[in-house]
Amino acid sequence: EVQVVESGGDLVRPGGSLRLSCAVSAFNVSDNYFSWLRQAPGRGLEWVSVIYHGGTTFYADSVEGRFTISRHISNNTVSLQMFSLSPEDSAVYYCARGCTKTNCYYAFDLWGPGTVVTVSS
Amino acid sequence: IQLTQSPSSLSASVGDRVTITCRASQGIGNSLAWYQQKSGRAPKLLIYGASTVQDGVPLRFSGSGSGIDFTLTISSLQPEDFATYYCQHLYSFPPSFGQGTQLEI
Repeated sequence: EVQVVESGGDLVRPGGSLRLSCAVSAFNVSDNYFSWLRQAPGRGLEWVSVIYHGGTTFYADSVEGRFTISRHISNNTVSLQMFSLSPEDSAVYYCARGCTKTNCYYAFDLWGPGTVVTVSS
Repeated sequence: IQLTQSPSSLSASVGDRVTITCRASQGIGNSLAWYQQKSGRAPKLLIYGASTVQDGVPLRFSGSGSGIDFTLTISSLQPEDFATYYCQHLYSFPPSFGQGTQLEI
């Protein structure tokens, strides 16, 4: 089944670190681009980071310098390493595949169920 | 690019025709997508390119508009359509979303 599934969410103290993983099934990480997005409780959607086919990465200003996205072709996963976490980073984190159809670029056509990150003392 | 959705919430009944609007802070051509998010679930892509319905999405969902103003229309509401709907621009990097429209019974 074509799907992505996130893992690694946890309760972490302010200033702490966490690594999220996105397991990709039935298609190749190397042939697609992926983003991480997040949604704070009761809030809207926020794009966080993207990794493109060639490995190029970009980040939202709010996480630049603290988060690192990477892909692992050997085990067909995408990860998000997060450092210096603050309560404002608390959210459900989603891994999503970027759409490649005409007029669809920058949209997200396959989402995982999400993993919860809570930053609190 | 800022996206403003209206209304923020909407009450409707099964069988109703419903329209949600999304206004962009600058012209974005037809570079807009719509998502549906049910409570506790991930968003689902409904429409891209302002009016192209994603594979598997019921045809009661339609999108229109270009430039600044866009609409999502549900022609005849079904019980499973009660959810929150988000627009997202596809015009440039970084992508951003509207604040959402909660569709309630």
